[in-house]
Amino acid sequence: DVKVTQSSRYLVKRTGEKVFLECVQDMDHENMFWYRQDPGLGLRLIYFSYDVKMKEKGDIPEGYSVSREKKERFSLILESASTNQTSMYLCASPSTTGELFFGEGSRLTVL
Amino acid sequence: GENVEQHPSTLSVQEGDSAVIKCTYSDSASNYFPWYKQELGKRPQLIIDIRSNVGEKKDQRIAVTLNKTAKHFSLHITETQPEDSAVYFCAAAFSGGGADGLTFGKGTHLIIQP
Repeated sequence: DVKVTQSSRYLVKRTGEKVFLECVQDMDHENMFWYRQDPGLGLRLIYFSYDVKMKEKGDIPEGYSVSREKKERFSLILESASTNQTSMYLCASPSTTGELFFGEGSRLTVL
Repeated sequence: GENVEQHPSTLSVQEGDSAVIKCTYSDSASNYFPWYKQELGKRPQLIIDIRSNVGEKKDQRIAVTLNKTAKHFSLHITETQPEDSAVYFCAAAFSGGGADGLTFGKGTHLIIQP
């Protein structure tokens, strides 16, 4: 099975701070995704990457950027955190059959 | 892009009864329809999926049906048990979801009453 690891389970940041969320997968997969999960809104795709240094916008990219310098690592960046970015962030990577393997999630609170 | 609608948002059933969750999708090109289960405090995990070349798939107490013409698919859980309590998400994708990711429904909170 693909193992997806997110470095921070809980973060508390202040408005305007720069925030980095890190994700690592151990199966040499090309594709990696960042989702945001909010109650009643489900999982919404922020950005995805299909190769090193490649990135594509998902459904809600505003206020976010990403970095993919190495195949196994995909970072989500909030350049200037705002309170409406308080949420659960989930990184995911698919197996060859299409099954998405998720990380444990990073719960971000912006004060 | 794809849009997935999921109903109901909350479903409460008696232990031992059946539960049905329904989803509709908008993009007729979608050909992969997975269901994920998320227990409280845990990550979503795939429980069953169906591809557009079949109409039904079963795995023990869980089944999924697909109606391509109507663009809807459903999750059926029979003989529900307390451990079935969770949030369930349907999703749709083209090309198996590997390339562009999955589009998820908003989730159904399934509550199993003892």
